[in-house]
Amino acid sequence: ETGVTQTPRHLVMGMTNKKSLKCEQHLGHNAMYWYKQSAKKPLELMFVYNFKEQTENNSVPSRFSPECPNSSHLFLHLHTLQPEDSALYLCASSPTRGRYTEAFFGQGTRLTVV
Amino acid sequence: RKEVEQDPGPFNVPEGATVAFNCTYSNSASQSFFWYRQDCRKEPKLLMSVYSSGNEDGRFTAQLNRASQYISLLIRDSKLSDSATYLCVGDSNYQLIWGAGTKLIIKP
Repeated sequence: ETGVTQTPRHLVMGMTNKKSLKCEQHLGHNAMYWYKQSAKKPLELMFVYNFKEQTENNSVPSRFSPECPNSSHLFLHLHTLQPEDSALYLCASSPTRGRYTEAFFGQGTRLTVV
Repeated sequence: RKEVEQDPGPFNVPEGATVAFNCTYSNSASQSFFWYRQDCRKEPKLLMSVYSSGNEDGRFTAQLNRASQYISLLIRDSKLSDSATYLCVGDSNYQLIWGAGTKLIIKP
């Protein structure tokens, strides 16, 4: 059983499409995160939500739009993406945002933009 | 300079050997450190937290050297199943900063 669930697991989309990634956590955590992982690069933090409020936006292009309707759910809305946006998108949660707190990851959505 | 830096490897190690990785961090104010393991095409999973006094979990030992600003991971009696990418993580301004990972391949 995984505490953080992401759907879909794989997504192929054209540059003109609009799609959404979904993340759900069953751990009772208050902080949720979107990360991008490209080959041979460190995880890049995209967005942070703490108690449903967005606390971080690490200069992410506006073609990525997050939504956090409640502490358990997180979405990433995608539109007019570029081929270089192809990557593994990971959702994570932690008890709180801050130090001394580990992150628990979903299995990721492997996104290919064609 | 990258905030958290790791040797990307790969480290090719025979089964049963001992292997050690280091990871350097640039923010001297960092307080929390972790080692995560990521299998091919899977999500990262916490391997162990790294405490100031060092900590051990079975065959795995993590150490923190604040003076030289690095953390280390030692794996003893390596198993084939230890093959993975090991990610070093430190905190900076309440964010987790990730290294790019060190790839380990254990060979029979």
